[in-house]
Amino acid sequence: AQSVTQLDSHVSVSEGTPVLLRCNYSSSYSPSLFWYVQHPNKGLQLLLKYTSAATLVKGINGFEAEFKKSETSFHLTKPSAHMSDAAEYFCVVSEPSQAAGNKLTFGGGTRVLVKP
Amino acid sequence: EAQVTQNPRYLITVTGKKLTVTCSQNMNHEYMSWYRQDPGLGLRQIYYSMNVEVTDKGDVPEGYKVSRKEKRNFPLILESPSPNQTSLYFCASSLRFLSYNEQFFGPGTRLTVL
Repeated sequence: AQSVTQLDSHVSVSEGTPVLLRCNYSSSYSPSLFWYVQHPNKGLQLLLKYTSAATLVKGINGFEAEFKKSETSFHLTKPSAHMSDAAEYFCVVSEPSQAAGNKLTFGGGTRVLVKP
Repeated sequence: EAQVTQNPRYLITVTGKKLTVTCSQNMNHEYMSWYRQDPGLGLRQIYYSMNVEVTDKGDVPEGYKVSRKEKRNFPLILESPSPNQTSLYFCASSLRFLSYNEQFFGPGTRLTVL
């Protein structure tokens, strides 16, 4: 069974400083991993995805994530936070299977606050 | 524009009054699913559909029904809503069943059951 743990429920950063959002997962096989962002009163937007190609994945808006199998981690980073990055971020794992379909398993979310 | 749409976006109702939340996608996706989002729990899958006329339960199906009569539409039906179904609901679609393609999400429907 797959599961996702986002280690911080809230992260506060100053504008222009780095952002680090931590995610650990457990999975039986070779999962796909995603980061989604949800701005207030909006739907979910895909930031980036890992599907067993390069372990360092670049996404939109300057975000990137590194897949580390030995540590079962998929942390999200951005070198310089912008005010528009204030949102909730979800780490997601997917293991398509006949039993569970294309089910996505979500972490609990990390809410990012960006201070001017 | 490729998108997933949901209606209504906001709904306040009373216990026991049947309601339907519609979901439609214009990307010719085979796979569609419904999730509910509750604070601290992330999103949990309610039901999914692999293709027309094929649906299956997710993790939290109790109190919900779905149907998939057309490829583009996947309505969520609450026959007798209860207060514990107050939540934010998302419809999602992806290209194919059993694929690693990302899922595209609708804008969400905020449901309050009094």
